Formats: sequence, C-alpha cells, structure tokens
Amino acid sequence: AQSVAQPEDQVNVAEGNPLTVKCTYSVSGNPYLFWYVQYPNRGLQFLLKYITGDNLVKGSYGFEAEFNKSQTSFHLKKPSALVSDSALYFCAVRVTGFNKFYFGSGTKLNVKP
Amino acid sequence: GAVVSQHPSWVICKSGTSVKIECRSLDFQATTMFWYRQFPKQSLMLMATSNEGSKATYEQGVEKDKFLINHASLTLSTLTVTSAHPEDSSFYICSASPQPTDTQYFGPGTRLTVL
Repeated sequence: AQSVAQPEDQVNVAEGNPLTVKCTYSVSGNPYLFWYVQYPNRGLQFLLKYITGDNLVKGSYGFEAEFNKSQTSFHLKKPSALVSDSALYFCAVRVTGFNKFYFGSGTKLNVKP
Repeated sequence: GAVVSQHPSWVICKSGTSVKIECRSLDFQATTMFWYRQFPKQSLMLMATSNEGSKATYEQGVEKDKFLINHASLTLSTLTVTSAHPEDSSFYICSASPQPTDTQYFGPGTRLTVL
C-alpha cells in the first residue's frame, strides 16, 4: 500500500531562521513527490515536485526539497522563513503509471516575528 | 497557467436539498479530475476520480448515489450532493491535471454547510 507520513503536526520557527517540514513515503514503484501549501479556507497551491533527475528540487516562494531515496524522504526546506509562510503544508506521492495522489496528514507551519 | 476554478465558493442549504458544485479547468483540458473532502484540521480524503465521458471511480466508503459526479466535457466536472444532511457539511476541493499522470492543480474549494 502507498502511504505518506508527515511526522510533525506543527512546526514553529522564528522569522529569518531556516525551516524544515518533514515527509517520508512508502510506495511500491517509482515515486513522484509533491509539496503543496494551503492557506485557511483555500485550495492547495502547488509548490514543487520531484519526478527524476537532480535530488534537490527548487520551487515557488524560495522553497526547495531534497529527494533521498535511501531514507525514502522528501523534506521541504527554506533558508529563511517569513511570517507569510505560515500555513498548512501537504506532502503527496504518486506512483509511476497511476494518477492517484496519496497525501500526508499535513503540517502546520507557524513562523513567528 | 494551470488554473482550476470552483463554484460556488460557499453554500448554505437546508437538510434534504441537493447542491451542485462545479469544477472547471480554465486554461487546459483535463480528461481526469479529482474530488476531495477535507474536514477541519485534517488531510484531504479522495472521494472519487472523475473521467471525461465515462463513469466516475469512487473510493471505498463513498456513496456514489449520494455524491453524483458528472464529467461532461474536458473542462468541467460537477459534484452533486443529493439529499444533503448536516454530516455532509465539509470543505470540498477538486483538482485536475493537464495530463492524467501530471501535477494536480487544485481549485479554491467549496464550503458546504447543511442546516
């Protein structure tokens, strides 16, 4: 069975500090990995994805993520957090050849001034 | 590019009535769209996969007679909640992909409140 785990319900970080939101996955097959952000009462916005190639993927708003096959992880990172980054972040995985996405439980990021 | 819209953004209805939610891909064609339901402070629950020109594929536990899905064109899918009850109150989100196995782009969501 395919699954995604986001082990932290909430991450707190001070503005200007680096942030990391963790994601691990378990799939049978080659994974395509995605990060989305959700602001209150809004749909999900696409941040970045890993399909193949360079393990370090850069996305929108200064976010990046590193694909680690041996650790089956795809952690989201940003060098310097902004208060406006405060939102709910979802990691998702899709298996090659299938169109269904599997989402993690979400991590609430709080960036304090 | 890759914009998905939903209408309405919120709706309040009486118990027993039916509500239709539209999902449109504005700048691309989508042979497949997805409907999700999200409870407060929880992740997205996939309800069904909507396939243009054919029947939707429902996830286990989702009542297909209650949540009617129609994907009549390559840019429009509709979700109708029939005989709505208070327990159907939720945030419904659709998504679509330019290609079936590509990135999913999400609509802004519809807040349904059943009184």
